[in-house]
Amino acid sequence: DGGITQSPKYLFRKEGQNVTLSCEQNLNHDAMYWYRQDPGQGLRLIYYSQIVNDFQKGDIAEGYSVSREKKESFPLTVTSAQKNPTAFYLCASRTRTGLFWETEAFFGQGTRLTVV
Amino acid sequence: GESVGLHLPTLSVQEGDNSIINCAYSNSASDYFIWYKQESGKGPQFIIDIRSNMDKRQGQRVTVLLNKTVKHLSLQIAATQPGDSAVYFCGLNTGFQKLVFGTGTRLLVSP
Repeated sequence: DGGITQSPKYLFRKEGQNVTLSCEQNLNHDAMYWYRQDPGQGLRLIYYSQIVNDFQKGDIAEGYSVSREKKESFPLTVTSAQKNPTAFYLCASRTRTGLFWETEAFFGQGTRLTVV
Repeated sequence: GESVGLHLPTLSVQEGDNSIINCAYSNSASDYFIWYKQESGKGPQFIIDIRSNMDKRQGQRVTVLLNKTVKHLSLQIAATQPGDSAVYFCGLNTGFQKLVFGTGTRLLVSP
């Protein structure tokens, strides 16, 4: 089955440690996205990538880093510089047909990160 | 910059009623708008989209209305069911395929 997989579902880290969240998709989608979700804050865009080896900052990129070395993978690293890293993190992907991007983005099930 | 917001954090309705979830946006350049549903502990799921050159689009039990004059978007759910209970997000596509979303409205359906 095609889909987008985030792992792990729950992650605990000590303050000051970097942590990497995994996002893999086998949908052959071109674009991938990372969002952060806090209660009452909705979905806030961290980083996104339209193509391999290229990515752009979203609205809250500070304290995060990404890479896009393969089309199917878009890992997110939460660094120690992120002041409030405890949150629910969602990865998404979508594709295009020729020059036109599909409107629907597919989301993973999320990773809940808790930093203690 | 772009921003998307929702009017009410929570909407409570009775089963069988129609629900209307509202959203305001500030970006006039978006080529389409989208609605997502998120159930507890899960990732959001696509419901429906509407192109910026349209003012109404209907799906199965859902209708989205777009008023570009006042930059307002709404999602109407007919005959709301308990399974519709979730958080609903509106979003838009900005330049360079950047997808942004609002804060969400929690829909509570009581029997």
